Amino acid sequence: GAVVSQHPSWVICKSGTSVKIECRSLDFQATTMFWYRQFPKQSLMLMATSNEGSKATYEQGVEKDKFLINHASLTLSTLTVTSAHPEDSSFYICSARTGTSYEQYFGPGTRLTVT
Amino acid sequence: GENVEQHPSTLSVQEGDSAVIKCTYSDSASNYFPWYKQELGKRPQLIIDIRSNVGEKKDQRIAVTLNKTAKHFSLHITETQPEDSAVYFCAASLSRASKIIFGSGTRLSIRP
Repeated sequence: GAVVSQHPSWVICKSGTSVKIECRSLDFQATTMFWYRQFPKQSLMLMATSNEGSKATYEQGVEKDKFLINHASLTLSTLTVTSAHPEDSSFYICSARTGTSYEQYFGPGTRLTVT
Repeated sequence: GENVEQHPSTLSVQEGDSAVIKCTYSDSASNYFPWYKQELGKRPQLIIDIRSNVGEKKDQRIAVTLNKTAKHFSLHITETQPEDSAVYFCAASLSRASKIIFGSGTRLSIRP
């Protein structure tokens, strides 16, 4: 149980375009979802926390107008990288929590390359 | 906010020996401390976690200890095997609804 999927697993886009990444909890309802970014050989850096039906809470230094997060249902959250630039190239990982567990369940990640 | 520091950044041990990774946290209110193993290009995998009301927890070759007074916790891996080679992250969280803050990671290599 507690499976989280992400789509796509990898994506290449041109500079200036937007790309959407989906995160789904397949067998549980996720009251809270988190989005992380991980550069090569670095740790997971939390970008934002989203609760279903509410606006996302962004971490300091993360541009909310550039990284649009929507958590429209208890099983789906999306991250849209707008006007992508090469420096946005990274591994994006989502995670989800139920309301009763401390554990976070991670998606497999999406590798974004901006050319 | 919470800050988690992790040491060492790299660790190389002989197969069969033990490995220890240490972390400190800044917020005394943190009460959940998970440890993750991440292989290249994969998602973090929870290997063990501990709550603040427990001082030690063990699962086969893996153990975690927590010192609330000193605000530090450690991961111990005994009888290391080649498949233990990976990056390990410690983390801390305030509550079920709170975000998890990760340490900087330790790259563990097991020498045959």
